[in-house]
Amino acid sequence: QITLKESGPTLVKPTQTLTLTCTFSGFSLRATGVGVGWIRQPPGKAPEWLALIYWDDDERYSPSLQSRLTITKDTSKNQVVLTMTNMDPVDTATYYCAHSLEYSSAWYGMDVWGQGTTVTVSS
Amino acid sequence: EIVLTQSPGTLSLSPGERATLSCRASQSVSSSYLAWYQQKPGQAPRLLIYGASSRATGIPDRFSGSGSGTDFTLTISRLEPEDFAVYYCQQYGRSPLFTFGPGTKVDVK
Repeated sequence: QITLKESGPTLVKPTQTLTLTCTFSGFSLRATGVGVGWIRQPPGKAPEWLALIYWDDDERYSPSLQSRLTITKDTSKNQVVLTMTNMDPVDTATYYCAHSLEYSSAWYGMDVWGQGTTVTVSS
Repeated sequence: EIVLTQSPGTLSLSPGERATLSCRASQSVSSSYLAWYQQKPGQAPRLLIYGASSRATGIPDRFSGSGSGTDFTLTISRLEPEDFAVYYCQQYGRSPLFTFGPGTKVDVK
């Protein structure tokens, strides 16, 4: 059974750096085709994809946020970490991590999501 | 940059009725890379459909997906009380790597 859980601060000040950790179980981030992504969702709005890291260390970022994001993985700890610099009140949202699988030119969706962690940016 | 548009914004229906939700892409999307999600208040999105028409594990067969190119459809054949929620389409592979649509809310008439 695949599970993911996000952790990190619930409140950050403007201009600070946000660091979120996704701790997962039930799969290996060494397995071909596996990725872990970060998605955020401001209150009342649609989800917005932020970043994804693949099993082969390939990192992908949302073009509009790329300059502020870094995604890393620690396969020994089964963790993926997202850092977002220069936080602003508009970054207030629920942040999710999710498992993604692509194999043999087929993508199987973001099939398992964490419960999400709410981050508020305020002074 | 690819943009997904969903219509209608809100669909007001009664239990037992058929729901038809549309997702239109600004550029052609491979059917292999189009997914649909359901989200209820306070919950994470839940994968319903991947590859435009394949149901995810545990998804009832009243949910079906179809379409190709720039036009995709999610159909709920007979609405159950637990199906009233917001539905998002998502594409994978174009720039940006993932894009979500704005969502369609299915509420009780």
